[in-house]
Amino acid sequence: AQKVTQAQTEISVVEKEDVTLDCVYETRDTTYYLFWYKQPPSGELVFLIRRNSFDEQNEISGRYSWNFQKSTSSFNFTITASQVVDSAVYFCALNTGGFKTIFGAGTRLFVKA
Amino acid sequence: SQTIHQWPATLVQPVGSPLSLECTVEGTSNPNLYWYRQAAGRGLQLLFYSVGIGQISSEVPQNLSASRPQDRQFILSSKKLLLSDSGFYLCAWISGADTQYFGPGTRLTVL
Repeated sequence: AQKVTQAQTEISVVEKEDVTLDCVYETRDTTYYLFWYKQPPSGELVFLIRRNSFDEQNEISGRYSWNFQKSTSSFNFTITASQVVDSAVYFCALNTGGFKTIFGAGTRLFVKA
Repeated sequence: SQTIHQWPATLVQPVGSPLSLECTVEGTSNPNLYWYRQAAGRGLQLLFYSVGIGQISSEVPQNLSASRPQDRQFILSSKKLLLSDSGFYLCAWISGADTQYFGPGTRLTVL
């Protein structure tokens, strides 16, 4: 069975703090894709990153970075020097090449000024 | 580039009334299309998906239905709304690289 677990329901930080959002996935497939999406208060899910199972390189995009570790089945997301605009719900997701994408329950991030 | 549209943006309907939400995609052909519902403060629930015209797969049996009359059009319907149908409805399409892209959503309130 495929599953995505985001154990952190809510996280609250003060602006400029670094914050890491955890994501643990389960699948028996060797080929799969992992994603992170951001859902700001407006509601639309914004795609942030896609990573395939054969590429364990960490990725950095501005203040965002992603740590993919197959050994622990984790795909964690770090925001450096958080800003109020980072306040949103963040979803981790898994697709094994089929029609369905499995989403985690989401982590709500509050960044206080 | 691809664009996905949803309308209406918000909707307030009485219990027992019908529903029709529309989703259209531009800039791609033969996409896989999806309807999700998100209850307030909750995660995403997959309702329907479609891999082609007239092909609908239902994930959750309920009083909702979906149709795909054209390649890039996906419609979510109900004959009689329930209070529990309130939520945020998101349409999505998937690219060849398995990345789902979402529309702006429809916020439905059933009173």
